[in-house]
Amino acid sequence: EVQLVESGGGLVQPGGSLRLSCAASGFTVSGNYMSWVRQAPGKGLEWVSVIYTGGTTYYADSVKGRFSISRDNSKNTLYLLMNSLRAEDTAVYYCAWYSSSWYYFHYWGQGTLVTVSS
Amino acid sequence: QTVVTQEPSFSVSPGGTVTLTCGLSSGSVSTNYYPSWYQQTPGQAPRTLIYSTNTRSSGVPDRFSGSILGNKAALTITGAQADDESDYYCVLYMGSGISLFGGGTKLTVL
Repeated sequence: EVQLVESGGGLVQPGGSLRLSCAASGFTVSGNYMSWVRQAPGKGLEWVSVIYTGGTTYYADSVKGRFSISRDNSKNTLYLLMNSLRAEDTAVYYCAWYSSSWYYFHYWGQGTLVTVSS
Repeated sequence: QTVVTQEPSFSVSPGGTVTLTCGLSSGSVSTNYYPSWYQQTPGQAPRTLIYSTNTRSSGVPDRFSGSILGNKAALTITGAQADDESDYYCVLYMGSGISLFGGGTKLTVL
């Protein structure tokens, strides 16, 4: 059974950093495209980042230069390192298994809440 | 800057049919954008409904269908049920690794 479990969310001050984790089971992170999607309170979904099997990464303009997506194949875990956090980064962050064949979000985790506030 | 457009809200009667659309602020949506659709209820993670324009995800009932209508992607729900009341999001693949979400449609069944 496929499972994605996010962790690492919490309260952080503006300008601070946080690293989110997404532990996968039922498939290998290394063999698949993986992505992060976020949702600000009361708002819609926003694509954040994707990492391809070969390691190529892409980011939304809103986070480019501040966020970094990576994976640990030995732990079958996806990460999102978030630096220089702003109030507008406050959101639930979902990790997702992203289909490389059909460019869609195949499976979703339950999300972890990040709150950026002083 | 390209924006993916969706109706902010829609209403359908139980048993009725509704079609939600997904467009582009400039240009037409085609199958080359691999449109996909997601359902989300408050406090829950999104659920994948449709991918690659018209392929239903595993376990999705056949009353959900996807298509291209004119210059937009479309999600049609036939025989709407009370538990279809949700937010619906479309996603378009823009190339170069970029996916764009629409703003979502809040569907009311009443």
